[in-house]
Amino acid sequence: AQSVTQPDIHITVSEGASLELRCNYSYGATPYLFWYVQSPGQGLQLLLKYFSGDTLVQGIKGFEAEFKRSQSSFNLRKPSVHWSDAAEYFCAVGGTNAGKSTFGDGTTLTVKP
Amino acid sequence: EPEVTQTPSHQVTQMGQEVILRCVPISNHLYFYWYRQILGQKVEFLVSFYNNEISEKSEIFDDQFSVERPDGSNFTLKIRSTKLEDSAMYFCASSGWPAGSQETQYFGPGTRLLVL
Repeated sequence: AQSVTQPDIHITVSEGASLELRCNYSYGATPYLFWYVQSPGQGLQLLLKYFSGDTLVQGIKGFEAEFKRSQSSFNLRKPSVHWSDAAEYFCAVGGTNAGKSTFGDGTTLTVKP
Repeated sequence: EPEVTQTPSHQVTQMGQEVILRCVPISNHLYFYWYRQILGQKVEFLVSFYNNEISEKSEIFDDQFSVERPDGSNFTLKIRSTKLEDSAMYFCASSGWPAGSQETQYFGPGTRLLVL
């Protein structure tokens, strides 16, 4: 069965500082991996995705993520965080024929001024 | 850019009542999904739907839930007799690729359901 672990429930960073959100997955085959962002009361916005190829993927809003098969990880990074990045971030793994995605518990990002 | 839409954005209902949540997937998509997110928790898969039948469903998707594509554009989730624990945000999603291919699911904005 596929699963996703986001070890950090809550992260606080200062504005302008770098950010890394951790994600570990369990999946039997080549995973399809996603990062979503959710602002309070809002829907899910896709930040980036990995299907195959280059293991470093670029997304919107200056985010990137690196797929490391040996570590079963897909960590999200941003070199300089903006106050507007404060939100909940979800890592997800998919790839079944029916396209079901399994989400992690999420990481809440707080940005200090 | 095409998007998934959902109505209503908010719904309040009494326990035991039936609710229908509506979704309009992206027009050329083939796969449709419902997820839910209980307040403060993670997003959970409910059901996927392809070719007018359920492809996969989770243990959450019990007999009180049903899905339907009543016409060429809508995709609905019906909860027959709502319970307090059905209070959640319900997300519809759609994807366009055939099975086994690269898939991106596009999520709607959600319907927040509150059962009193």
